[in-house]
Amino acid sequence: AQSVTQLGSHVSVSEGALVLLRCNYSSSVPPYLFWYVQYPNQGLQLLLKYTSAATLVKGINGFEAEFKKSETSFHLTKPSAHMSDAAEYFCAVSASSPKTSYDKVIFGPGTSLSVIP
Amino acid sequence: DTAVSQTPKYLVTQMGNDKSIKCEQNLGHDTMYWYKQDSKKFLKIMFSYNNKELIINETVPNRFSPKSPDKAHLNLHINSLELGDSAVYFCASSQDRGVSYEQYFGPGTRLTVT
Repeated sequence: AQSVTQLGSHVSVSEGALVLLRCNYSSSVPPYLFWYVQYPNQGLQLLLKYTSAATLVKGINGFEAEFKKSETSFHLTKPSAHMSDAAEYFCAVSASSPKTSYDKVIFGPGTSLSVIP
Repeated sequence: DTAVSQTPKYLVTQMGNDKSIKCEQNLGHDTMYWYKQDSKKFLKIMFSYNNKELIINETVPNRFSPKSPDKAHLNLHINSLELGDSAVYFCASSQDRGVSYEQYFGPGTRLTVT
């Protein structure tokens, strides 16, 4: 079975500072990994996804994430935070499993990012 | 054009009532989902349909019944609403049922049961 943990339910950074949101996963088979962002009162939208083509994945709005198999991590970073980055961020994992009759995506609990002017 | 749309956006109702939420996607996707997001932002899948066939049916009360009249629509009907049903319900779609496909979410329906 797959699972996702996100360290830190709330992260605050100053505008212009580095953003680091942590995600660790558990999967018995090679996973697909995603980061989604949810702005206030909106649905989730995809920031980026890892599909084994490259360990460093670049996404929208200047975000990127690095897949580290040895650490089972997929942390999200952005060099310089902007006020508009304030949102909820969700890490998600999915993987095929012959043991289940269906596949599904497991979302982490989310990390709320605040950006201080 | 809105890719995944839901109606209504807000729904306030009393305990015991029956209500429906509608979802439509114009992306040509084969798979659609219903998620429930609680007050702590935790996102839990409820159902998934692929080409009108139910493929994911998580442990939810049988008061919740999804219906997919065609692959572009997935509706959620809730009978005998309870206080604990208050949440934001998201519809989503993906190109296909495979695990590599990203999901596209609707704007959500905020359900408040009083």
